[in-house]
Amino acid sequence: GESVGLHLPTLSVQEGDNSIINCAYSNSASDYFIWYKQESGKGPQFIIDIRSNMDKRQGQRVTVLLNKTVKHLSLQIAATQPGDSAVYFCAENSRQETSGSRLTFGEGTQLTVNP
Amino acid sequence: KAGVTQTPRYLIKTRGQQVTLSCSPISGHRSVSWYQQTPGQGLQFLFEYFSETQRNKGNFPGRFSGRQFSNSRSEMNVSTLELGDSALYLCASRNMGQGNEKLFFGSGTQLSVL
Repeated sequence: GESVGLHLPTLSVQEGDNSIINCAYSNSASDYFIWYKQESGKGPQFIIDIRSNMDKRQGQRVTVLLNKTVKHLSLQIAATQPGDSAVYFCAENSRQETSGSRLTFGEGTQLTVNP
Repeated sequence: KAGVTQTPRYLIKTRGQQVTLSCSPISGHRSVSWYQQTPGQGLQFLFEYFSETQRNKGNFPGRFSGRQFSNSRSEMNVSTLELGDSALYLCASRNMGQGNEKLFFGSGTQLSVL
């Protein structure tokens, strides 16, 4: 029978193009957001993060934009390379009363870079 | 500095068995979290440990448990395995302190339940 599961959004770009990966988050009280990259057979790898008191943050070839009004997060990758092909996850931090921390992850986007 | 180390890398078990997974955090990191990753549910939070105490727990049944040792190493245990427990189990560590929410993940343990 047909399997039921998350339908992973996909994005296919040409090498050298810019990529934009979008994410909607759920908790308006979240104060910290983070992007991870996960390659096949590996754990998630940190890319960039941003706090809720900021709208934009830049790293090397990556930029994260935060729109708290519509609870939207985006990751921009400049001059996308084949090595950028991976699944990209956004995550929001929900601070816990016990001083713990837990990240709530989005469903992920599969980025494919065509040479 | 070595990253988060998880052992074993792969495991095959049968229904009803129990399994223990191990995680060594980055040196100096005192918080360890566990996540389950499946194609159907994505990444789901299991629990977080700090100073040998569970600080935070996700919505998983009591068959899932964990512990942390004085050297910050952690283990998680799943008893009475079910087919649906097949997943990649990821361990992550972080520094404690204000503003240190960034998690560093290991490569995971791929568990297959037959």
